[in-house]
Amino acid sequence: DAGVIQSPRHEVTEMGQEVTLRCKPISGHNSLFWYRQTMMRGLELLIYFNNNVPIDDSGMPEDRFSAKMPNASFSTLKIQPSEPRDSAVYFCASSLGLNNQPQHFGDGTRLSIL
Amino acid sequence: TQLLEQSPQFLSIQEGENLTVYCNSSSVFSSLQWYRQEPGEGPVLLVTVVTGGEVKKLKRLTFQFGDARKDSSLHITAAQPGDTGLYLCAGTSGSRLTFGEGTQLTVNP
Repeated sequence: DAGVIQSPRHEVTEMGQEVTLRCKPISGHNSLFWYRQTMMRGLELLIYFNNNVPIDDSGMPEDRFSAKMPNASFSTLKIQPSEPRDSAVYFCASSLGLNNQPQHFGDGTRLSIL
Repeated sequence: TQLLEQSPQFLSIQEGENLTVYCNSSSVFSSLQWYRQEPGEGPVLLVTVVTGGEVKKLKRLTFQFGDARKDSSLHITAAQPGDTGLYLCAGTSGSRLTFGEGTQLTVNP
């Protein structure tokens, strides 16, 4: 069975450029989560959706970050303009609903902003 | 903000040794999940504990949820090099998962 699929796996770009990260959740899962992982701060929840609707975006660091989920099988996380401090591994996860459900993670996108 | 503190942050042991990783918080969680993450991959769920005092075993791994549902421990018996990885605890409260900082375990052959 296909797990959560993220693309690209690696992205290197110059500061000021727009970055778009993509995620395809597991089919049938109706909750989707975006996380950021760094050595300093660990794994941080940025935003999550339920039934394609954003539920909590309080973890989004700044207005430069935005996320969309146009349908049940696709989500994007966009950073515009990007800055070097945005460098991190970004993970997408999906689950069968909320409330104690296990989350299934993709393999992440390693983002480097020069 | 609910915080989860894990200890130790780093642990390097020899194959065959036993170890315990702790996950502590001042907050009560409805459940506690343990994940393991290997380099270049996302975290993978190992277990979910829900009831205070609950103990779950997964082969050589034993997970315990504190009676007050504020803390948890992971005990590994006779560690093997394949156990090497980043172990993350995560507390659930409503819809959110709050992750600890992780324990990086290295088991040397």
